[in-house]
Amino acid sequence: ETGVTQSPTHLIKTRGQQVTLRCSSQSGHNTVSWYQQALGQGPQFIFQYYREEENGRGNFPPRFSGLQFPNYSSELNVNALELDDSALYLCASSSGPQSFPTDTQYFGPGTRLTVL
Amino acid sequence: KQEVTQIPAALSVPEGENLVLNCSFTDSAIYNLQWFRQDPGKGLTSLLLIQSSQREQTSGRLNASLDKSSGRSTLYIAASQPGDSATYLCAVPSAGGTSYGKLTFGQGTILTVHP
Repeated sequence: ETGVTQSPTHLIKTRGQQVTLRCSSQSGHNTVSWYQQALGQGPQFIFQYYREEENGRGNFPPRFSGLQFPNYSSELNVNALELDDSALYLCASSSGPQSFPTDTQYFGPGTRLTVL
Repeated sequence: KQEVTQIPAALSVPEGENLVLNCSFTDSAIYNLQWFRQDPGKGLTSLLLIQSSQREQTSGRLNASLDKSSGRSTLYIAASQPGDSATYLCAVPSAGGTSYGKLTFGQGTILTVHP
């Protein structure tokens, strides 16, 4: 059983650019959630994908968008990058609503995004 | 809107000491509560998940308790070791409607255990 993986590990972009972050969910999981963690803060929920459909969104602007693929891997896209987008981006996978609330979410190692 | 608060923000203890980390939440209608560990610049590792019907969960030197009515949870670490140094986060999920399991996190407690 493979864990949650994310790529790239680190990324440096300049303000106004676009970025795509990737996440491979744990084997058997069909739900992926994305979180943004600013330095010294707890993670903030961005959105969740369940079976390739967006299944809820946090308080983030539309320039944050995502996709989930048939193999349940996922992408997070951020357009028009701003300095405040600098953060650790975490994805988490889980088994889906049928396993809630007993199942935990499994987090990847994160992608550190720096916007200059 | 659920809000989660953790106290203290940072804690430094000598090796071998027993310690308690605190987590409080504003909406007591939770399904479960999780404690995570995060090493610097890394992802989150789940330590313990307590269901709303449970009062506590134990894993090795870790014991987490939950009091839904008062909106509080504690993480007890026995005989602390330098390897326990990390940030500890508690989180509660939302459910129903959209985004089941969306986690609301506290800001974390930074624990340093010195030899």
